[in-house]
Amino acid sequence: DGGITQSPKYLFRKEGQNVTLSCEQNLNHDAMYWYRQDPGQGLRLIYYSQIVNDFQKGDIAEGYSVSREKKESFPLTVTSAQKNPTAFYLCASKDFAGATNNEQFFGPGTRLTVL
Amino acid sequence: KQEVTQIPAALSVPEGENLVLNCSFTDSAIYNLQWFRQDPGKGLTSLLLIQSSQREQTSGRLNASLDKSSGRSTLYIAASQPGDSATYLCAALISSGSARQLTFGSGTQLTVLP
Repeated sequence: DGGITQSPKYLFRKEGQNVTLSCEQNLNHDAMYWYRQDPGQGLRLIYYSQIVNDFQKGDIAEGYSVSREKKESFPLTVTSAQKNPTAFYLCASKDFAGATNNEQFFGPGTRLTVL
Repeated sequence: KQEVTQIPAALSVPEGENLVLNCSFTDSAIYNLQWFRQDPGKGLTSLLLIQSSQREQTSGRLNASLDKSSGRSTLYIAASQPGDSATYLCAALISSGSARQLTFGSGTQLTVLP
């Protein structure tokens, strides 16, 4: 059963703590992406990776970090430096970052709440 | 900087109506335009992708059009059903440095009333 999985589905964090969100794909895609979605808004790009061991900042990277040690995994760490981390986080993948005729596939999302 | 706008933010229609969702973008230099569906608390499901060289794409009751010169795309839903109730997002694929990124609109929340 191919696809993108994200865990956990719900995550609660105390202020000042770092948390890591998991994203795994078995689609053999080269490119992976992390987005943040706030209520009533579209998605904003946090980080993306076009290939293993490479990643680039998106539009709102401050307070976040990522790694891409394996093709199938792209974890996102929300650090204590992120001032407003409560949001819905979506991971996506695409077979080739430079392609223009294929789609991004999205995971089910993780809802992070800071207490 | 590319901006993508979707109006209205919310729409309610009775079951069976045909409807049009609108998406506009400020920079016509896009590679493609994608429409997604999002159910509450869920991820995005891709509905249609229109390449910049294409004018429209169809899938079942859905038809998406693209007019790059005017910076507009529409998603037409025929014979709407309560199961079509969801948020519909459009996104334009653009160049960003050495990469290509999606820029999203804020979505239209559709409610189809039985």
